[in-house]
Amino acid sequence: GDSVTQMEGPVTLSEEAFLTINCTYTATGYPSLFWYVQYPGEGLQLLLKATKADDKGSNKGFEATYRKETTSFHLEKGSVQVSDSAVYFCALNNNAGNMLTFGGGTRLMVKP
Amino acid sequence: GAVVSQHPSWVICKSGTSVKIECRSLDFQATTMFWYRQFPKQSLMLMATSNEGSKATYEQGVEKDKFLINHASLTLSTLTVTSAHPEDSSFYICSAPTGTSRETQYFGPGTRLLVL
Repeated sequence: GDSVTQMEGPVTLSEEAFLTINCTYTATGYPSLFWYVQYPGEGLQLLLKATKADDKGSNKGFEATYRKETTSFHLEKGSVQVSDSAVYFCALNNNAGNMLTFGGGTRLMVKP
Repeated sequence: GAVVSQHPSWVICKSGTSVKIECRSLDFQATTMFWYRQFPKQSLMLMATSNEGSKATYEQGVEKDKFLINHASLTLSTLTVTSAHPEDSSFYICSAPTGTSRETQYFGPGTRLLVL
């Protein structure tokens, strides 16, 4: 079946540092890929998405490129802020009833 | 983006009581909604798929008599935790797909349930 693997956290960075959160997937066909963010005590918010190979999703300074050859969708940001502290989930949708398959989540902590 | 609401956001109840959680799509119609539960510092676990006008589809290991789902309209799905026990304490989150291809899901803010 489909699966998503994320790097384990927590990831602790200083403000303005470069962020990379790795995400790889296993799926048949051509899934759509997503990054969701969950702030403390809240539900998930869609951060960005990519629907086909080589697409780049971007939002709020975050970006991720759909790499089919390496089955990856790594999340990057050039300069993190304290307000980016949250849990980040990588997910895929393989059109199996529109269900999402989630990675385990990566907690990011940004220190001033 | 589309908006999904949940009510209540917090609920504390005594063991043995039933708790109803509502999930509403505010600006779009949702023939399908998904219910997840999330334990502290863990990922989301899909519990069931709620289908408007038909029975919900439950994931393996989820008790359908324990977690009753009713998709009463195109904008409302409810999850009732029957005879709640402390082990049911969790964060419950709903989502609904929307958009042209319905591939993007929008999530509610979640409901935190504490059973004493």
